[in-house]
Amino acid sequence: KAGVTQTPRYLIKTRGQQVTLSCSPISGHRSVSWYQQTPGQGLQFLFEYFSETQRNKGNFPGRFSGRQFSNSRSEMNVSTLELGDSALYLCASSQGAGDGSDTQYFGPGTRLTVL
Amino acid sequence: AQKITQTQPGMFVQEKEAVTLDCTYDTSDPSYGLFWYKQPSSGEMIFLIYQGSYDQQNATEGRYSLNFQKARKSANLVISASQLGDSAMYFCAMREASGTYKYIFGTGTRLKVLA
Repeated sequence: KAGVTQTPRYLIKTRGQQVTLSCSPISGHRSVSWYQQTPGQGLQFLFEYFSETQRNKGNFPGRFSGRQFSNSRSEMNVSTLELGDSALYLCASSQGAGDGSDTQYFGPGTRLTVL
Repeated sequence: AQKITQTQPGMFVQEKEAVTLDCTYDTSDPSYGLFWYKQPSSGEMIFLIYQGSYDQQNATEGRYSLNFQKARKSANLVISASQLGDSAMYFCAMREASGTYKYIFGTGTRLKVLA
């Protein structure tokens, strides 16, 4: 079974631009979560989508948005990029069961650099 | 509120020796799952091991075992026979079975295996 895939793997943008990152979950997984990882802030939760609906949301400004499609693929969009948005963005998928055993599997990440 | 604490920012271990990475958690939910992930320098988060709150026995996966002490709310990861490839960042995480179902991650422990 194929793992979680993320595209693109690397991205360089300038301040003020917008960016869209894509995540394809493991086949059969209905939940997709997004995380931002920076050296200073560590791993921070952005949001989770389950069956095309946002189920959870972290404490990020409205410039960060996401969506999930009927095939469970997900996209994350960041508008009006700031230098502080430079980070590794990780996507994780899980079956989405509403219990503590639901294991998340991560993709390789997209490394975004904002100049 | 959910909380995961990893008090060891960095650790060293000699090759072929065992090492314990500490993790304590806080939750009021009686049903939850505990997870450990490995993040090599490449950035991808790799799922290592899972422990359910109702599991009577400690989880094991190859050289990884989880020392689960429910009363102390600790879920330490034990790596036996350390290898150079074990050098990485290790994250402890928890997911409750009720409420928001959010994953909560610790701040991580950087492990360096010495030859």
